[in-house]
Amino acid sequence: QKEVEQNSGPLSVPEGAIASLNCTYSDRVSQSFFWYRQYSGKSPELIMSIYSNGDKEDGRFTAQLNKASQYVSLLIRDSQPSDSATYLCAVFDNNNDMRFGAGTRLTVKP
Amino acid sequence: EAGVAQSPRYKIIEKRQSVAFWCNPISGHATLYWYQQILGQGPKLLIQFQNNGVVDDSQLPKDRFSAERLKGVDSTLKIQPAKLEDSAVYLCASSPSPSPPLHFGNGTRLTVT
Repeated sequence: QKEVEQNSGPLSVPEGAIASLNCTYSDRVSQSFFWYRQYSGKSPELIMSIYSNGDKEDGRFTAQLNKASQYVSLLIRDSQPSDSATYLCAVFDNNNDMRFGAGTRLTVKP
Repeated sequence: EAGVAQSPRYKIIEKRQSVAFWCNPISGHATLYWYQQILGQGPKLLIQFQNNGVVDDSQLPKDRFSAERLKGVDSTLKIQPAKLEDSAVYLCASSPSPSPPLHFGNGTRLTVT
């Protein structure tokens, strides 16, 4: 069974701090990795994608990938209360399946 | 462009009843996915279509769930008979090809009593 694991949280950070979200996956041949944000009662929306080892930055978001360790992370700099949501890690494998972790609930306190 | 459309938005049924959900993907998107998201969990893939063919239905409980995409456009997911544990949000997503990114609809929240 291919697994995507995340700490369920909740993770609480003060406004302006860096939020660090982590994810591990079991399928070593996975090639594409994604972070989705899901507000309560809403559908997931894509915020970051990463395909190669290293860091990828987009505004306040940085995704990090280490395929050798089968580890993906998302850093949110200068966290805002509007960042409060559940963050889902997703892995796209060679079977064309997108598998999701259970999500980490983030709360940014003003 | 119009997003992925789903209906109904909410549905409440009693156990052993049947229910159907409808999804219309983004125009031109060949790949359509149905996911089940139980409260507090991540989305779980139920079935993936490429045009009107099934690519993956390995996690679909086929004794009670069925799905079709007859003309390769919109799709229907049916549950018959429903169980209490089927209470979840059913998300439809589409993509131009069998690769990301996936675009999600707003989902259908099913409550089975």
